[in-house]
Amino acid sequence: QKEVEQDPGPLSVPEGAIVSLNCTYSNSAFQYFMWYRQYSRKGPELLMYTYSSGNKEDGRFTAQVDKSSKYISLFIRDSQPSDSATYLCAIPTGKLIFGQGTTLQVKP
Amino acid sequence: DTAVSQTPKYLVTQMGNDKSIKCEQNLGHDTMYWYKQDSKKFLKIMFSYNNKELIINETVPNRFSPKSPDKAHLNLHINSLELGDSAVYFCASSQEREGSYEQYFGPGTRLTVT
Repeated sequence: QKEVEQDPGPLSVPEGAIVSLNCTYSNSAFQYFMWYRQYSRKGPELLMYTYSSGNKEDGRFTAQVDKSSKYISLFIRDSQPSDSATYLCAIPTGKLIFGQGTTLQVKP
Repeated sequence: DTAVSQTPKYLVTQMGNDKSIKCEQNLGHDTMYWYKQDSKKFLKIMFSYNNKELIINETVPNRFSPKSPDKAHLNLHINSLELGDSAVYFCASSQEREGSYEQYFGPGTRLTVT
């Protein structure tokens, strides 16, 4: 089993939709969870991070961790065409382990 | 001001050739990395250097050799290029401290081996 798994999509939604992006992880000792966003032909950039369980909100973005089910989520409210990108979950374990990335397209 | 820069941005070369990719960061970070991103967007670490010392060396063919002349630079040399080496290579840097694991990525070098 991979340490971090993510559905690669692609995911296509209309503008204004709520988007849910998800990852699962295998090691219950993981405490720190990150979401990177990568625009086409660019390097990944850190979007949000959370520590342990619970939610963290930043504008239209909410990161959620459910440690009991080893599930991390990123919600995007009122999605915009500018949100079209690949979203990668990542977990630091002495190195960053990335999920495969979910490619999102938000259509106007 | 570019935080992490890589050259070249694009590299097209033939099988069997040797090529190098250069990376520089002006963030004052002490750790630098090389990642490979395949056509399915999977991003995997290859190497990590901390203050010019190799600390992570994943199962990468020894045709790949990183070199860090100083803590602001990390270069990647690839010998005898193969078709399977075609990918986007990202350099990244970080300054690790408790509770902060953010890595800053360069724009990537798109390598095509024909």
